[in-house]
Amino acid sequence: GAGVSQSPRYKVAKRGQDVALRCDPISGHVSLFWYQQALGQGPEFLTYFQNEAQLDKSGLPSDRFFAERPEGSVSTLKIQRTQQEDSAVYLCASSGDWASEKLFFGSGTQLSVL
Amino acid sequence: SQQGEEDPQALSIQEGENATMNCSYKTSINNLQWYRQNSGRGLVHLILIRSNEREKHSGRLRVTLDTSKKSSSLLITASRAADTASYFCATDAGNNNDMRFGAGTRLTVKP
Repeated sequence: GAGVSQSPRYKVAKRGQDVALRCDPISGHVSLFWYQQALGQGPEFLTYFQNEAQLDKSGLPSDRFFAERPEGSVSTLKIQRTQQEDSAVYLCASSGDWASEKLFFGSGTQLSVL
Repeated sequence: SQQGEEDPQALSIQEGENATMNCSYKTSINNLQWYRQNSGRGLVHLILIRSNEREKHSGRLRVTLDTSKKSSSLLITASRAADTASYFCATDAGNNNDMRFGAGTRLTVKP
């Protein structure tokens, strides 16, 4: 595709509800990242995939957060039993070859937990 | 956890002036990158400098890297109102290669 696509753009969830956020990376990109960005803060690393392998999930804040990329392309970030502190913008990024090369970001999903 | 820290947190200048932002990081790196983010949008890559490089230019952008001090600076020359945005540095966390971002510098350029 032309760029990294994330859906939905906005998500409002009631506390306790499960949510699933989708990321379509640039076609052929090997590396895929998820970041969480609170208002006025920098992106906080959540997890990183190389193809379908989840190489680093050290940034996931709790076991309520789960990410997958089963076929090495589209990725889903799932948050179970959402809490108010989960409210943030969730950014997805992909890169072509190595993880530490230029990242291409999607516009993010803004999650509001009420 | 954050790998880089930008300084200052906020910077306000007049159009035409130069803007300098600094980034310090903690561990050894393979490269350092600078990104820009307009309000409510995703991040856009500006420039990448590798650990064996000391300076790099791209248009009105100049980036320096001092690995001995674990620091980098981003200079924007002849700033424009359209440069108003948040600027972030990002580094790979050594062997892991995944990119970690700082808290950013919020730049305001007044017309």
